[in-house]
Amino acid sequence: NAGVTQTPKFRVLKTGQSMTLLCAQDMNHEYMYWYRQDPGMGLRLIHYSVGEGTTAKGEVPDGYNVSRLKKQNFLLGLESAAPSQTSVYFCASSYFRYNEQFFGPGTRLTVL
Amino acid sequence: GQQVMQIPQYQHVQEGEDFTTYCNSSTTLSNIQWYKQRPGGHPVFLIQLVKSGEVKKQKRLTFQFGEAKKNSSLHITATQTTDVGTYFCAGGVDNNNDMRFGAGTRLTVKP
Repeated sequence: NAGVTQTPKFRVLKTGQSMTLLCAQDMNHEYMYWYRQDPGMGLRLIHYSVGEGTTAKGEVPDGYNVSRLKKQNFLLGLESAAPSQTSVYFCASSYFRYNEQFFGPGTRLTVL
Repeated sequence: GQQVMQIPQYQHVQEGEDFTTYCNSSTTLSNIQWYKQRPGGHPVFLIQLVKSGEVKKQKRLTFQFGEAKKNSSLHITATQTTDVGTYFCAGGVDNNNDMRFGAGTRLTVKP
């Protein structure tokens, strides 16, 4: 099993460009999450999903959109990237609400 | 909203010394999880505590959940260089669907 995978691993964007980050899990987990990690800020939840076709806002959802069309995939979109969105993005999944979260390797995004 | 505070932000120890990180919540938690993130890596689950006053051990690591379920601690006895990394706590609240992470404690160990 691959666990949780994320693509791409690195990306550089110019301000105003758009992009989509893809997260995939092969563990049949119901819950999936997108976090951003900034120095000294820990992991902040952007959006999450409690099942296929559902999404919900986390702590810092502004400027991001998500979709969960298939149970195994969770997409994070930036419609108009801003320098404040420079960060490392982690996807995670868990079988259910308070179960152990499995994290992907992360995507390092730089917005110039 | 729910907040999870973690202290200290950084801790530098000599190999063989003990290390403790503390996690405090403004609200009662239903459970708490601890994760470790090695430099350049991703968070990896260590343990979950659910019961009031619960204590769990993993070799040199001791995890505690406070009686009021508002605080938790992770203690490492006799640190080794392999303990280097950032330790995060994450707390769950009954009326939320997500876990909220603390800012983490970054541990460095001098050989």
